[in-house]
This record gives sequence, C-alpha cells and structure tokens, in this order.
Amino acid sequence: GAGVSQTPSNKVTEKGKYVELRCDPISGHTALYWYRQSLGQGPEFLIYFQGTGAADDSGLPNDRFFAVRPEGSVSTLKIQRTERGDSAVYLCASSETGPDTQYFGPGTRLTVL
Amino acid sequence: GQQVMQIPQYQHVQEGEDFTTYCNSSTTLSNIQWYKQRPGGHPVFLIQLVKSGEVKKQKRLTFQFGEAKKNSSLHITATQTTDVGTYFCAGQSNYQLIWGAGTKLIIKP
Repeated sequence: GAGVSQTPSNKVTEKGKYVELRCDPISGHTALYWYRQSLGQGPEFLIYFQGTGAADDSGLPNDRFFAVRPEGSVSTLKIQRTERGDSAVYLCASSETGPDTQYFGPGTRLTVL
Repeated sequence: GQQVMQIPQYQHVQEGEDFTTYCNSSTTLSNIQWYKQRPGGHPVFLIQLVKSGEVKKQKRLTFQFGEAKKNSSLHITATQTTDVGTYFCAGQSNYQLIWGAGTKLIIKP
C-alpha cells in the first residue's frame, strides 16, 4: 500500500508569510507525528495526534505553529509569520497505534528567505 | 526533561571495519527503536527492542537493549558502502518517542 506522503516537497517563502504543510498518513494509522529536522540533527518532536486530537503538542516551539487533523487522517501543519529560523525539513510519521514503529514521509523542505 | 544521548556523533571507518553507536537514556524506557537515514532521505525503521537484555540480529547488524532498559547499542560488522547514513535510536517513555541525535557512519575513501 501507499506510504506516508507529504506535500509540497519543497516550499520557499518570505519572512512573515503564512505556510501550510500537508501530511497524508498510511491508511488506518491512528497515530500521526510531526517533526522538524535541521541539517546534521535528529528529528525534533513537534506534535503527536491520536485520532483527531493532539495528544501531545509540547514540542511546538511557539504559538506561530499550529497543527490540525480534523478527520483523523490527513494533517496540516500551519506556520504563521514565518521566520528564517523556521527553515528546516518538516517530517511527518504515522504508526498504527501510539508510539509504535513509525513510518516517515519524505518530508517538506521549508526555506524562509 | 527526558533525554537520550547518542555517541559518537560521527564515525569514520574503512570499508570492512566494524561500527558501533551507543544510546543512553536518562529514564527507563518501554522500548527502543532504531532508524537509518540515508543522505537526503528520511528515517527508515530498522528494529524495535522491548525486553530487558534483548539482543537481535539482522545480517551484519546486532542490536542490544541493556538490562536496565536505559541503554542500547547497534553494532555493524564488516561495514559496506551501503551502510552509509545516520543511525538514530529513539526510546519510548510513556507515549513519547525520544530521539537521539544520531551517529553518522562515514566510509573512508
């Protein structure tokens, strides 16, 4: 079956703009994670959804970041008033239930100019 | 907060030499998972260890989980060019997965 997909694969935006990043998890996976990864670093946890609800959003760096998963499948990560420091690869992962084996999407490379 | 320390950050080896990376958690883990990320790629799941003292093998890769379930290691025997990449451990504590910073395996030319 299809794996985790993310769109767009690349996003270039200007400082101060709003962006949305989309994640399509593996069908039937109830758990969905957002991470961001800077060059040479491990994935940095942002938020974890179990179904439609955010079970843990403690990794969101500030209130410019917000994520939704209204129907328990597709999720959107929203970043307001982007800053240059937001530039990174944003990874989405899904797992069947909870923090089990995670299957990662290819990521969205966000560049804020 | 909870942390998983992973060392070394980099390891340069000649092809055919062995490679080892170590992870140490500040708290007892429910399980530990290992992932491999190729250059330009995304993390790919390798294995999960659950039991205290567990040892699992995948061909040339040997994974260990410590008796106290706070540390783990990955050992690759006789490295090949296909092993190049960054290896991450990720420990589960409650419902969180806490990631190490990764060890980059570099094959010397």
